Amino acid sequence: GENVEQHPSTLSVQEGDSAVIKCTYSDSASNYFPWYKQELGKGPQLIIDIRSNVGEKKDQRIAVTLNKTAKHFSLHITETQPEDSAVYFCAASMANAGKSTFGDGTTLTVKP
Amino acid sequence: DTEVTQTPKHLVMGMTNKKSLKCEQHMGHRAMYWYKQKAKKPPELMFVYSYEKLSINESVPSRFSPECPNSSLLNLHLHALQPEDSALYLCASSQTLAGSTDTQYFGPGTRLTVL
Repeated sequence: GENVEQHPSTLSVQEGDSAVIKCTYSDSASNYFPWYKQELGKGPQLIIDIRSNVGEKKDQRIAVTLNKTAKHFSLHITETQPEDSAVYFCAASMANAGKSTFGDGTTLTVKP
Repeated sequence: DTEVTQTPKHLVMGMTNKKSLKCEQHMGHRAMYWYKQKAKKPPELMFVYSYEKLSINESVPSRFSPECPNSSLLNLHLHALQPEDSALYLCASSQTLAGSTDTQYFGPGTRLTVL
């Protein structure tokens, strides 16, 4: 089955700096890659996603890049703010599969 | 409206109790999911319903019993749970399983404690 590895497990940055979280996946059939943000006491919330026919997607301060050949995708957050502090999960899935495989999560701390 | 609601927010139960978790969405989604999440871990898939039929059961113990009464509601019935079942139980929904959109929308979860 699919295996997703996520790095780093913890990341601490100064407010205003950029943060990058990387994930690799094993199954070349995976074609949908969402990123979720989970704040303490809440459910995961989708922040951005990318499909395998696209190499990069951007939404304001958040961007995701996908390298299908290398089977890895990354989340980039620019101009970080304290409210970006949370656990971030990447995931990989195939259309029609009904299942997503999650990475183990990255705890991001943005220091004011 | 991209909201999935879950009740109750918190639940404490003994090992002999029977309780139910409820999940509701009004986005017209036809796929609904139950996940279990332990502290500092990713969500683990338990069950998937597609068009009110159980589509995936990830070998979950029978003390967890899912039910999908209609396309907007999803229940998880709990009976004779163990302390190790204490976790955050998350519900999610997506448009379908068969389409190209697999975006899942999660609810806030029910924090379950089994004594």
